[in-house]
Amino acid sequence: EVQLAEAGGSVVRPGGSLRISCAASGFTFDDHGMSWVRQAPGKGLEWVSGINWDGKSTSYADSVKGRFTISRDNARNSLYLQMESLSAEDTALYRCARGITSSTSSGFDSWGQGILVSVSS
Amino acid sequence: DIQMTQSPSTLSASVGDRVTITCRASQSVTTWVAWYQQKSGRAPNLLILKASDLQSGVPSRFGGSGSGTDFTLTIKNLQPDDSATYYCQQYSTYSQTFGQGTKVEI
Repeated sequence: EVQLAEAGGSVVRPGGSLRISCAASGFTFDDHGMSWVRQAPGKGLEWVSGINWDGKSTSYADSVKGRFTISRDNARNSLYLQMESLSAEDTALYRCARGITSSTSSGFDSWGQGILVSVSS
Repeated sequence: DIQMTQSPSTLSASVGDRVTITCRASQSVTTWVAWYQQKSGRAPNLLILKASDLQSGVPSRFGGSGSGTDFTLTIKNLQPDDSATYYCQQYSTYSQTFGQGTKVEI
């Protein structure tokens, strides 16, 4: 069974940093591209960042470009998102999502339950 | 970035109805469109890939169509379990985007 489990959520002050992670199991991790998708309270889905199977290709939404960094460790079956210069607009439930293909961009067939990141003073 | 504009934002219908949700891309995405269903408090569930490929396990009353910039999700014979918010997604470019969602009330 495919499982994606996010961790590392927290309350962070504006301007602060946070690293969240996603532990994958139940499938061959390096066969798939991965993404982070967030959802602010009561709002819709927002794609944040994606990475291809070997980590050599990454992409970001304009709203986080230059502040967030996605990475993966295939040996640990883990996905990461390093977030810098956080603001209240980054407050959301962050989910990792498995891509259908190995590339950076694809549909998502499995999702984690999400981790809450709250930016507040 | 490519914008995906969904309509309507909310839809009220009855059991047995046929409903249609539309999604318009700001530029051509060929058929690189997926549709998801999200029920309250839960992760999204993939319904359709490549505009019209129904995923395994998804009831056949769901269907997708379109290419280029205009796409539709159709639900035939609406069931109470279909009450959810539906999102389109384009994955034509490295910078993927979702539509704003359509809430279906039954």
